[in-house]
Amino acid sequence: DSGVTQTPKHLITATGQRVTLRCSPRSGDLSVYWYQQSLDQGLQFLIQYYNGEERAKGNILERFSAQQFPDLHSELNLSSLELGDSALYFCASSLRPQGYGELFFGEGSRLTVL
Amino acid sequence: QQQVKQSPQSLIVQKGGISIINCAYENTAFDYFPWYQQFPGKGPALLIAIRPDVSEKKEGRFTISFNKSAKQFSLHIMDSQPGDSATYFCAASSTGTASKLTFGTGTRLQVTL
Repeated sequence: DSGVTQTPKHLITATGQRVTLRCSPRSGDLSVYWYQQSLDQGLQFLIQYYNGEERAKGNILERFSAQQFPDLHSELNLSSLELGDSALYFCASSLRPQGYGELFFGEGSRLTVL
Repeated sequence: QQQVKQSPQSLIVQKGGISIINCAYENTAFDYFPWYQQFPGKGPALLIAIRPDVSEKKEGRFTISFNKSAKQFSLHIMDSQPGDSATYFCAASSTGTASKLTFGTGTRLQVTL
């Protein structure tokens, strides 16, 4: 158990809809990362927050947004969903804001868009 | 510039054999190279990592070999076991104010009896 909690584990929705994925980082970790995992693309970095502030942005679509709240949990909002958004979405956390050190991943939220 | 290329995509090794997974990178600013292991239904977990100031790091049956001039690094799993069957991701990152891990596309390893 990594200590990172993601909800929901599975989500099925229709095209055009909006969903919110939630992540609670490990106790004491200030940095939260969101990754998208699809079969042919591996793990794609979406966005990073550190202590409530956006720290780095990757290949995140404009239809997606995220935030980190004062209690350090984070939410990833996906809107105007398309079939291609179907993927596993992972949240990871770390103590430090930078690339060194271990990232602790949750078990992911599997999103299916029909 | 940020890409990390990983091969092979899949690998089948007999129990007791050596599994070798290779990665290559382009960004010379990368200075941290971890390997993550992912079992089905689970998130990736750190397996072993190396910094470019050493050419090899060994932890148990797992060894990272690093070639800075060739911008390549590899994971060797000695005496591979069925329990090693998983997907392995190499990754790279650089220090800085807004660094993040760039992952390879993953290698699905199957260790047969």
